[in-house]
Amino acid sequence: GENVEQHPSTLSVQEGDSAVIKCTYSDSASNYFPWYKQELGKGPQLIIDIRSNVGEKKDQRIAVTLNKTAKHFSLHITETQPEDSAVYFCAAIKSGAQKLVFGQGTRLTINP
Amino acid sequence: SAVISQKPSRDICQRGTSLTIQCQVDSQVTMMFWYRQQPGQSLTLIATANQGSEATYESGFVIDKFPISRPNLTFSTLTVSNMSPEDSSIYLCSLRRTGNTEAFFGQGTRLTVV
Repeated sequence: GENVEQHPSTLSVQEGDSAVIKCTYSDSASNYFPWYKQELGKGPQLIIDIRSNVGEKKDQRIAVTLNKTAKHFSLHITETQPEDSAVYFCAAIKSGAQKLVFGQGTRLTINP
Repeated sequence: SAVISQKPSRDICQRGTSLTIQCQVDSQVTMMFWYRQQPGQSLTLIATANQGSEATYESGFVIDKFPISRPNLTFSTLTVSNMSPEDSSIYLCSLRRTGNTEAFFGQGTRLTVV
């Protein structure tokens, strides 16, 4: 079955700098890759996603890139702000599958 | 997006007792799921809640411990039975709509067993 590895487990950056979180997946049939942000005491919130027919997607300060050949995808946050501090999860799923497979999570801390 | 109402948001329970968690969504969905998130960990799928039939459990989870109901397309419950301190976790319901891969989560239930 699918396996998703996420790195790093913790990341600390200065406010205003960029943050990058990387995930690799094992099943080449996976074709949908969402990213979730989980703030303390809340459920995961979908922040951006990408499908296998595109290589990059951007939404304001957040972007996701996908390399199908290497089977990895990354979350990029630019101009980080204190409110970006949270735990981020990547996930992967293929068409027809029911279950999202999650990465281990990255605790991102933005230092003022 | 989707509106998912999950309750209770938190509870502290005595070992040996049971807790039922409710999940109400704002529109009919095809798939509802229950996850467990242990402290500092990722999300682990407990089961898929099937409307009108028995839930489909993942390896390591059994119906006697985590009975699930889904009487209609907008409501599901998860019961954590005969609780022990090891059951202390966040429990999350999730949904996906027909023909759509996007998944949404409730706010979670933070359970502490003492």
